[in-house]
Amino acid sequence: ELQVVESGGGLVQPGGSLRLSCTASGFIVSSNYMSWVRRAPGKGLEWVSIIYSANVTHYADSVKGRFTISRDYSKNTLYLQMNSLRAEDTAVYYCVGYYYMNVWGEGTTVTVSS
Amino acid sequence: IQLTQSPSSLSASVGDRVTITCRASQDISNYLAWYQQKPGRAPRLLIYAASTLQSGVPSSFSGSGSGTDFTLTISSLQPEDFATYYCQQLSGFPFTFGQGTQLEIK
Repeated sequence: ELQVVESGGGLVQPGGSLRLSCTASGFIVSSNYMSWVRRAPGKGLEWVSIIYSANVTHYADSVKGRFTISRDYSKNTLYLQMNSLRAEDTAVYYCVGYYYMNVWGEGTTVTVSS
Repeated sequence: IQLTQSPSSLSASVGDRVTITCRASQDISNYLAWYQQKPGRAPRLLIYAASTLQSGVPSSFSGSGSGTDFTLTISSLQPEDFATYYCQQLSGFPFTFGQGTQLEIK
């Protein structure tokens, strides 16, 4: 069964940092398109970032320069390093596998508040 | 690339046929997917490449369109279909979602 499980969410102050992790089973993270998608309270889905091929990466304009996506082959894990966090980054963050996003985790909640 | 879904919300009854539209701000060929999300749950892929049904998704769901205009149709609404639906373009970065269509029970 194809599965991803996120971790690392929590409460952080504005300007702080957090690293999300996503561990996959049933498929190889480093061989596939992997993305992060978020949903803020009361809002719709927002695509955040993607990594694919030889670690090519792309970001939403709203997080460019603050977030970094990466992956570890040996741990079959995807990461999202989030720096300079803002209140508007508060959301449930989903790890998603494959180009057409058919493997979703249950999400991890990030709350940015003082 | 911006995606505009319509309507933003829709009330319908079990057994109804419903159609949701998604318009792209530029030609995206068939690089479009549709997702369903229920409260407190992760989204679920329904349709990819504009018209290909994802494995395990009921055949009551169908997608069509290419270029800039796309539709998601549910041929006969079931109680479990009441949810929020999103389109997404995968033609160019950044990938974007439509704003969502909330489908409610009438």
